[in-house]
This record gives sequence, C-alpha cells and structure tokens, in this order.
Amino acid sequence: KQEVTQIPAALSVPEGENLVLNCSFTDSAIYNLQWFRQDPGKGLTSLLLIQSSQREQTSGRLNASLDKSSGRSTLYIAASQPGDSATYLCAVKTNNAGNMLTFGGGTRLMVKP
Amino acid sequence: DAGVIQSPRHEVTEMGQEVTLRCKPISGHDYLFWYRQTMMRGLELLIYFNNNVPIDDSGMPEDRFSAKMPNASFSTLKIQPSEPRDSAVYFCASSLGRGQVNEQFFGPGTRLTVL
Repeated sequence: KQEVTQIPAALSVPEGENLVLNCSFTDSAIYNLQWFRQDPGKGLTSLLLIQSSQREQTSGRLNASLDKSSGRSTLYIAASQPGDSATYLCAVKTNNAGNMLTFGGGTRLMVKP
Repeated sequence: DAGVIQSPRHEVTEMGQEVTLRCKPISGHDYLFWYRQTMMRGLELLIYFNNNVPIDDSGMPEDRFSAKMPNASFSTLKIQPSEPRDSAVYFCASSLGRGQVNEQFFGPGTRLTVL
C-alpha cells in the first residue's frame, strides 16, 4: 500500500527566503505526482503535476522535482512571499491503484513579512 | 469554466439526520472523486466514478455512506444516519482521463458539522 510522507509538518520562514518542501513515497511505481496548495478553509489548488517520465516541472517561482527511484519529490519556492503562506500537499497516482491519489499529510508554511 | 461546484458550503445537522452533499464536476471531465478531510486522518478518498460508474468505493467508511452519479454533470454523497464522527470537510474533485495525466481539480468543499 502506497504511503506518502511530507516533512516538515510545519515551516516558518522570513519573507524572501528560498525554501524546499519534501515529499516521500514508499512505492516508486507511480504514474505521476501532483503538488497542491490549500488555503485555510478552502479547497485544493493544483500547482504542478510531474509525470513519471519527467524530472521536474516549473511554474513561476515554483519548481517541483521528482526522483522516482528513490521515492522523493521536492517543491522549491524561490523568494518566498507572505502570500505563499498555506498548506502544501503532495499526492501520487500509483500504477496499481487505478486513478486514485494518495495524499501526504501536508506541510503548513508560514512566510513572515 | 466555473470549476468544480459543491453545495452546500456549510452544513450543520443533528445526529441521526440525513445529509446530502452535491457536486457538479467540470464540464467534459469523465472522472469524479469524493474525499473527506479531517485533522486526524488528513485527506482520504471515499469513492470515485468513471463515466458515471462507481469504480472504487473501498474508502467509504460504512453502509451509512452512499454516493451516486446519475449523469455526467451531477453527483451526490449521502450520509444516513449522520453521526458526530462524520464531521469533516468533504471535497469533490474531477479530472479528464486523458492518458495517465488525470490532473485532479478540487471544489471548495462542504464543511459538515454533526451535533
């Protein structure tokens, strides 16, 4: 059974810092990995999706990498801003699990002005 | 497109009452997912549909929960009878089954409180 872990559970940084969020998964046979952002009391917003054949995806200040063989992904946020404060979740779609996503517990990020 | 639409946004009910949550997926999407989010258990998949047919309901906690998708633009999740432990945020998501991409798009959620 696929298990997804995100470390750290919470992170507080000053504005302007570059930061890395980590996601690890136990079963490397995945189709893709998706990073989401969730603001308090809101739904999930898809940030980036990396296919299993890809190594990274970039969108603006965000860069997500994938190392399938080691079961790891990172989300890099450059020049963090207070507006980046939210919970970030990663989710994997595993080969033998149909179209289901398995979610990590999330990293709660606070960027202080 | 308006995105995934869920109603109601908030629901407060008393134990034993029937609760119906509604979802309209993004037009053209052929997959629909129901999730539940709690502080203790995080985000859990309850059930998902493909072309209106339930594919996997192994996440449905018990017989009190049921889900239907009568057509491509509407789905319901029903809890009968509701219990306080059902209090959570329920999300609906949809995706287009194009190859293996299946990027999921989430609705705003329904916050359910069972007293």
